[in-house]
Amino acid sequence: AQKVTQAQTEISVVEKEDVTLDCVYETRDTTYYLFWYKQPPSGELVFLIRRNSFDEQNEISGRYSWNFQKSTSSFNFTITASQVVDSAVYFCALSDTGANSKLTFGKGITLSVRP
Amino acid sequence: GAGVSQTPSNKVTEKGKYVELRCDPISGHTALYWYRQSLGQGPEFLIYFQGTGAADDSGLPNDRFFAVRPEGSVSTLKIQRTERGDSAVYLCASSLTPLRQGSGNTIYFGEGSWLTVV
Repeated sequence: AQKVTQAQTEISVVEKEDVTLDCVYETRDTTYYLFWYKQPPSGELVFLIRRNSFDEQNEISGRYSWNFQKSTSSFNFTITASQVVDSAVYFCALSDTGANSKLTFGKGITLSVRP
Repeated sequence: GAGVSQTPSNKVTEKGKYVELRCDPISGHTALYWYRQSLGQGPEFLIYFQGTGAADDSGLPNDRFFAVRPEGSVSTLKIQRTERGDSAVYLCASSLTPLRQGSGNTIYFGEGSWLTVV
């Protein structure tokens, strides 16, 4: 069975601080995808990144960066120079590459960025 | 529209009543998913459609829950004899095709339908 653990439940930082959101996953599949989604108060899940299990290169997109470590089954997300607009719940998710591609989500991390 | 559209955004219903929640996926997306999100939890998979057929309904909690997608586009999630425990946000998502190695596509979510059973 697949499992995603987001051990941090709530994080509060002051604007311009860097913050890292942790994600640890479990799967027996050899090929899979990892995702991060952002859920602002409006409720919509906003796609941030999809990472293929074969691709362990770290990725940077503006203030966002992701560190994929297959050896420790982790896919951590760092926000550099955080802003108030980054306040949201962040979900890590795991999908296999089978026929239905359903996502298994973690419980989410509530990030509050104070001005 | 440009994104996944769900209606109603909010629904309050009495215990025992029947409810329908509608999802209009991104145009051209063949794969459609329903998820349920309870307060303080991550979304949980309910059912997946590929085209008109339910390819995986393993997440439906019991036979009070049913979903259809008759023309391969809009989908309706139907809940009979609602119970207070059904209160949650019901999220719909779609993708161009099911995820495949190297396909480059991803899964996009709507804003959800918040169901409250009183």
